[in-house]
Amino acid sequence: DTGVSQDPRHKITKRGQNVTFRCDPISEHNRLYWYRQTLGQGPEFLTYFQNEAQLEKSRLLSDRFSAERPKGSFSTLEIQRTEQGDSAMYLCASSLTGTVKNTEAFFGQGTRLTVV
Amino acid sequence: AQSVAQPEDQVNVAEGNPLTVKCTYSVSGNPYLFWYVQYPNRGLQFLLKYITGDNLVKGSYGFEAEFNKSQTSFHLKKPSALVSDSALYFCAQLESGAGSYQLTFGKGTKLSVIP
Repeated sequence: DTGVSQDPRHKITKRGQNVTFRCDPISEHNRLYWYRQTLGQGPEFLTYFQNEAQLEKSRLLSDRFSAERPKGSFSTLEIQRTEQGDSAMYLCASSLTGTVKNTEAFFGQGTRLTVV
Repeated sequence: AQSVAQPEDQVNVAEGNPLTVKCTYSVSGNPYLFWYVQYPNRGLQFLLKYITGDNLVKGSYGFEAEFNKSQTSFHLKKPSALVSDSALYFCAQLESGAGSYQLTFGKGTKLSVIP
């Protein structure tokens, strides 16, 4: 499968614990995005990378959240001191560099986080 | 703030009938608009997008969408619905000034196609 892959698919954690998710984009894609989707809502943009540089962060990305893409390939999203409100589906997407007119963003299946 | 509205939480349509899933947007200038579909346990899949040009955009799986600037709408349509079209549909618009896929999504509309 050459699509965007995310690991794990599901994560249950206790409140206060730290969690880390991984995203492997489509191999030739320079841009990588993180979104969060809560139940009954559409995805919300969190952050994006071009290669290893984090170029944009939403105000939704609190200090407890950190994302990295150290070698410009896979990315990790870490949530520290998880809260119940962090329970959501975390989606990763990737695209080529270029204008929106001539590129597409491809989404992974997501990591579903449940904080108990 | 920029927003996308999908006024219907659920749309039911009989197989073979035409379907419409509604979307309205709010952005000044020329919007970039998208439709995505989400099947259970699968990621969002791109259907179509409007950037500029013809107001009628054709996309994947026989779907099309009509951009209407005066009504700030971008409704998704299909002439003949299939049971396999049953899924969650999201309308989205690009954040103003964004050079990449920073999208604002609507809440989604669940489409059920009844055999």
